[in-house]
Amino acid sequence: AQSVTQLGSHVSVSEGALVLLRCNYSSSVPPYLFWYVQYPNQGLQLLLKYTSAATLVKGINGFEAEFKKSETSFHLTKPSAHMSDAAEYFCAVSPGYSSASKIIFGSGTRLSIRP
Amino acid sequence: GAVVSQHPSWVICKSGTSVKIECRSLDFQATTMFWYRQFPKQSLMLMATSNEGSKATYEQGVEKDKFLINHASLTLSTLTVTSAHPEDSSFYICSARGGLAGVWRSDEQFFGPGTRLTVL
Repeated sequence: AQSVTQLGSHVSVSEGALVLLRCNYSSSVPPYLFWYVQYPNQGLQLLLKYTSAATLVKGINGFEAEFKKSETSFHLTKPSAHMSDAAEYFCAVSPGYSSASKIIFGSGTRLSIRP
Repeated sequence: GAVVSQHPSWVICKSGTSVKIECRSLDFQATTMFWYRQFPKQSLMLMATSNEGSKATYEQGVEKDKFLINHASLTLSTLTVTSAHPEDSSFYICSARGGLAGVWRSDEQFFGPGTRLTVL
């Protein structure tokens, strides 16, 4: 079975500060990992995905994540937070990147940005 | 490209009535569509997976007779909440996977904007 655990349901940082959202995964097979962002009352937008290529993945809006197998982690970072980054972020895992694969979502982390 | 729409964006209904939610892929053919529900401040829970022209596959604990899913075409899937009750109030999100024949194909799931259902 696969699962993801997001540490911290709410993270608050100052504008311009480093953003770090934590995600640990559990998978019996090499996982495919995703980070999604959700703005209020909207659907999900894919930020980035890891599909067994480079372990450092760069996404949209200046976000990136690093796959660390030894730590079973896939933390999301951004060097400098912007007010527009305030949203809900979901880490997700899939057993494969194919039409038959389901995506399992973490519980989400709400990111707040202080002026 | 790869835009998914949902209609309506919000709906309020009385207990006992049925509500239909549409999910459309606007510029690609969705061979597979997924339906999720999301309670306030919680994550997305997959309800069912539907392939065009086939019966939907429901996740454990999801009542097939209550949440009717139809995926009759490559661009449209519908979720009907039958005999809705207040506990069915939630944010329902669909996603679609597919491509444009001869042009592109992706296994990425593209998400709709969601439908907020409130049952009084």
